[in-house]
Amino acid sequence: AQKVTQAQTEISVVEKEDVTLDCVYETRDTTYYLFWYKQPPSGELVFLIRRNSFDEQNEISGRYSWNFQKSTSSFNFTITASQVVDSAVYFCALSGDKIIFGKGTRLHILP
Amino acid sequence: GAVVSQHPSWVICKSGTSVKIECRSLDFQATTMFWYRQFPKQSLMLMATSNEGSKATYEQGVEKDKFLINHASLTLSTLTVTSAHPEDSSFYICSAISRDRGYEQYFGPGTRLTVT
Repeated sequence: AQKVTQAQTEISVVEKEDVTLDCVYETRDTTYYLFWYKQPPSGELVFLIRRNSFDEQNEISGRYSWNFQKSTSSFNFTITASQVVDSAVYFCALSGDKIIFGKGTRLHILP
Repeated sequence: GAVVSQHPSWVICKSGTSVKIECRSLDFQATTMFWYRQFPKQSLMLMATSNEGSKATYEQGVEKDKFLINHASLTLSTLTVTSAHPEDSSFYICSAISRDRGYEQYFGPGTRLTVT
């Protein structure tokens, strides 16, 4: 069975601090994709990244970075120098024949 | 990038009535469309998977007679909530994938349903 665990339900940090959102997954598939999505208050999902199971390279995109470690089945997301606009719910997801979402982490960036 | 639209973006209906939500892929033909449901402060839960021209596959616990899904064309899928009740109030999100686009999943903006 596939499973995505986001242990952090809610996080609050002060603006400009760095914050890491954790994601641990379970799957028996050898080929799969991992995703991160941002959901602002409007509700529309914003795609952030897709990572193939064969590609363990870390990725950096501006203030965002992702650390994929197959050995620990983790795909963590770090926001550097957080901003108030980063406040949202962030979902980690795993794709086999369908996408399974974690429960999400609600991130509050305090001014 | 590909665009998936949903209509309406929000709807209020009375208990006992039916409401239809449309999901359209605007610039590509969707091999498969998915319907998700999201309660406030909760995650997205997959309701069903629909392929064009065939019956939808429902996830365990989802009533197929209550949530009717029709995928009549490669660009349109509809979800009809029949005999709606207040507990059906939720945020419904569709997504679409296309073989031509490497099976990347594109999400619609969601439809907020309130049943009074």
